[in-house]
Amino acid sequence: SAVISQKPSRDICQRGTSLTIQCQVDSQVTMMFWYRQQPGQSLTLIATANQGSEATYESGFVIDKFPISRPNLTFSTLTVSNMSPEDSSIYLCSAGTGEDTQYFGPGTRLTVL
Amino acid sequence: QKEVEQDPGPLSVPEGAIVSLNCTYSNSAFQYFMWYRQYSRKGPELLMYTYSSGNKEDGRFTAQVDKSSKYISLFIRDSQPSDSATYLCAMSAPSNTGKLIFGQGTTLQVKP
Repeated sequence: SAVISQKPSRDICQRGTSLTIQCQVDSQVTMMFWYRQQPGQSLTLIATANQGSEATYESGFVIDKFPISRPNLTFSTLTVSNMSPEDSSIYLCSAGTGEDTQYFGPGTRLTVL
Repeated sequence: QKEVEQDPGPLSVPEGAIVSLNCTYSNSAFQYFMWYRQYSRKGPELLMYTYSSGNKEDGRFTAQVDKSSKYISLFIRDSQPSDSATYLCAMSAPSNTGKLIFGQGTTLQVKP
């Protein structure tokens, strides 16, 4: 299994600002993903982080709002840009080596005022 | 209609009970089925993984997949208060490039 860490674990931000969330995996993985989980809800996939190329975004999510980087096989960042209160959520990073298993980080709890 | 349906509960049982958690799905291409456990304010933790149909057992946990009915289950035997959490089913297809589709999650409370 992979151990995944995220920074920061939580943050409170002002409207209009941006926050970058970091995700570090303890081993090389093929795939990394970013999810959003709103209070009391399930997980919604934002994008697949591709190493060395642009991320693949799901319907409803765009690069200008959620730019993602993945410079190597163990690290990725998600930026939440020009934040509004609707962006208040938990952001989760996951990693896997195939279609079978994915492991999740502890999440970043974001509150936008 | 959602691709994956899961009763959100909440489900409350006494300690020692057998718990049955279920999901139905509509996409017949799904081949990989997972159950995650998520404690409050934590990330999801992979509990069980099953490929295609059949049963898989791990300690007190048993996962079942019935592809003909598009139905998966997680059974928890001798439930403990420490099992109190939200249980999420997730699945993917070979064409999905690893993307998981999650159910809504079922909140379970095991009372001592």
